[in-house]
Amino acid sequence: RKEVEQDPGPFNVPEGATVAFNCTYSNSASQSFFWYRQDCRKEPKLLMSVYSSGNEDGRFTAQLNRASQYISLLIRDSKLSDSATYLCVVKRDTGRRALTFGSGTRLQVQP
Amino acid sequence: DARVTQTPRHKVTEMGQEVTMRCQPILGHNTVFWYRQTMMQGLELLAYFRNRAPLDDSGMPKDRFSAEMPDATLATLKIQPSEPRDSAVYFCASGLQEQSPLHFGNGTRLTVT
Repeated sequence: RKEVEQDPGPFNVPEGATVAFNCTYSNSASQSFFWYRQDCRKEPKLLMSVYSSGNEDGRFTAQLNRASQYISLLIRDSKLSDSATYLCVVKRDTGRRALTFGSGTRLQVQP
Repeated sequence: DARVTQTPRHKVTEMGQEVTMRCQPILGHNTVFWYRQTMMQGLELLAYFRNRAPLDDSGMPKDRFSAEMPDATLATLKIQPSEPRDSAVYFCASGLQEQSPLHFGNGTRLTVT
């Protein structure tokens, strides 16, 4: 089983729609959580960190549920420019401390 | 705007040849990571360094891969001999301590025929 699991999608949504992605992680030692965005044939870039209390950045909201070991990302009022792959990322605070990436969820926003 | 620089951007080589990929991390960043991305496996960690010391290379096939940081401005990833299954995009990333966001380079797209 992979340490970080995501639904690969693709999620095809119309402009203006609200879309949510979930991600589950298996290692309870994971302490830091992030969402990265990767455009086609580009490098991953940090979208937002995920805090225990949940956090919002404009149209994007991230939530963390430690008890169930899942993270979510909600995108409101989708734009064409939101089309990308969204990578769920976790980091442990013990042992291997490098970021572990999920395989990503692909979003395609259609006009 | 500081960036991680990777060379070459693309590399096509024949099986059995040596491949060297280079990375210049952002000045002042003390952690450097090598990731490999394929459609099937996603982003996999190959190796990472803190203050030029290798901390974890458990994701790297040791018989053919090697990663080094000869100085703070250069990280290298070598494959010798290369095999078709090594075809992937290899990303270098750097950060300031493991807590910070990682900054990725543009990647080296490797094709081994």
